[in-house]
Amino acid sequence: DGGITQSPKYLFRKEGQNVTLSCEQNLNHDAMYWYRQDPGQGLRLIYYSQIVNDFQKGDIAEGYSVSREKKESFPLTVTSAQKNPTAFYLCASSTAQTGVRVREQYFGPGTRLTVT
Amino acid sequence: GNSVTQMEGPVTLSEEAFLTINCTYTATGYPSLFWYVQYPGEGLQLLLKATKADDKGSNKGFEATYRKETTSFHLEKGSVQVSDSAVYFCALRSGGSYIPTFGRGTSLIVHP
Repeated sequence: DGGITQSPKYLFRKEGQNVTLSCEQNLNHDAMYWYRQDPGQGLRLIYYSQIVNDFQKGDIAEGYSVSREKKESFPLTVTSAQKNPTAFYLCASSTAQTGVRVREQYFGPGTRLTVT
Repeated sequence: GNSVTQMEGPVTLSEEAFLTINCTYTATGYPSLFWYVQYPGEGLQLLLKATKADDKGSNKGFEATYRKETTSFHLEKGSVQVSDSAVYFCALRSGGSYIPTFGRGTSLIVHP
């Protein structure tokens, strides 16, 4: 079955430590995204990538970093510079084919990060 | 720029009640419109979509019609169930943009 996997489901870290969240997709999608979701809040875009070896900052990129070395993988690192890292993180992907009008996103199950 | 406005939640209903969640948008060009659902502790799932004026998206008893004249895409269901309790997000995607625009989400709570 095609889909997006995120691991782990729950992650706990001490303040001051960097932590990397995994996101893998087997949908053959070119575009991948990271969102942050806080309780009662909508989605905020952290980073997105349209193709391998290229990515752009979203609305709240400060304190985060990403890489896109493979089409299937788009890991997110939450650095110690991120002031309030505790949140629910969602990875998504979509096709980036030209001529495809409807480009819905497919989401992973999310990773809940708690930093104390 | 693009924007999506959803009604504030939570929306609280009894089982078998009629549901409407309002969604209006502003967008450049001719966007595609989506409703996503998020169950507690999970990621978002596409619920339904529409790509042109007067298109009706439907799935699992939910429906929404793309109204270009009123720039709206209201979500409806004739008889909600407890299992429909979730957060619902309205979203749009314009033309060649890689970045969708989401509303803030509307929480639905259905009581037995």
